[in-house]
Amino acid sequence: SQQGEEDPQALSIQEGENATMNCSYKTSINNLQWYRQNSGRGLVHLILIRSNEREKHSGRLRVTLDTSKKSSSLLITASRAADTASYFCATSLSGGYNKLIFGAGTRLAVHP
Amino acid sequence: ETGVTQSPTHLIKTRGQQVTLRCSSQSGHNTVSWYQQALGQGPQFIFQYYREEENGRGNFPPRFSGLQFPNYSSELNVNALELDDSALYLCAFEGPDSPLHFGNGTRLTVT
Repeated sequence: SQQGEEDPQALSIQEGENATMNCSYKTSINNLQWYRQNSGRGLVHLILIRSNEREKHSGRLRVTLDTSKKSSSLLITASRAADTASYFCATSLSGGYNKLIFGAGTRLAVHP
Repeated sequence: ETGVTQSPTHLIKTRGQQVTLRCSSQSGHNTVSWYQQALGQGPQFIFQYYREEENGRGNFPPRFSGLQFPNYSSELNVNALELDDSALYLCAFEGPDSPLHFGNGTRLTVT
């Protein structure tokens, strides 16, 4: 079974709206990462948050981490049609960026 | 553009056959990982190679094997293909303290 579970499985919004995706995981982690995947393509790293951090920002992205609840959220503000993609959270048991365990992803559709 | 190249992009094989997938990086990252992504699912870690040695393996049977070459390129070999092996196979390179750089994958269909 996968370590992370994203919620919702699918999200449909209008351009300019904010999109929030949630991720829950099962075991203690060193860090949690978010990746984006356009249809049929490879994954692109968005942001990493370490277990001792609670919030991190990168451009229009805001990630929070609650280790007591074993959950994380990704907020995309002022969404654009180009943000349409699948978003995955991934945890690393060994530290660093490697040997990642991914969730099943949230499929985001942003309509013009 | 991640600088990671995978070949072929698409492949159709018959159950029981063997397949070799290839991956290379423009940069000299010495750690390469392979992931299997079934349709509608997240990627699952197959194994990782560091300096030509296997350095961690996920829950995949021995018929999934790999190689890493001195130029850090890598191969994923799958023997005795099964229908459930149909998936997108992704490789990713990692440098020191840098995120994974994924290729666009090889779409394998087993009939």
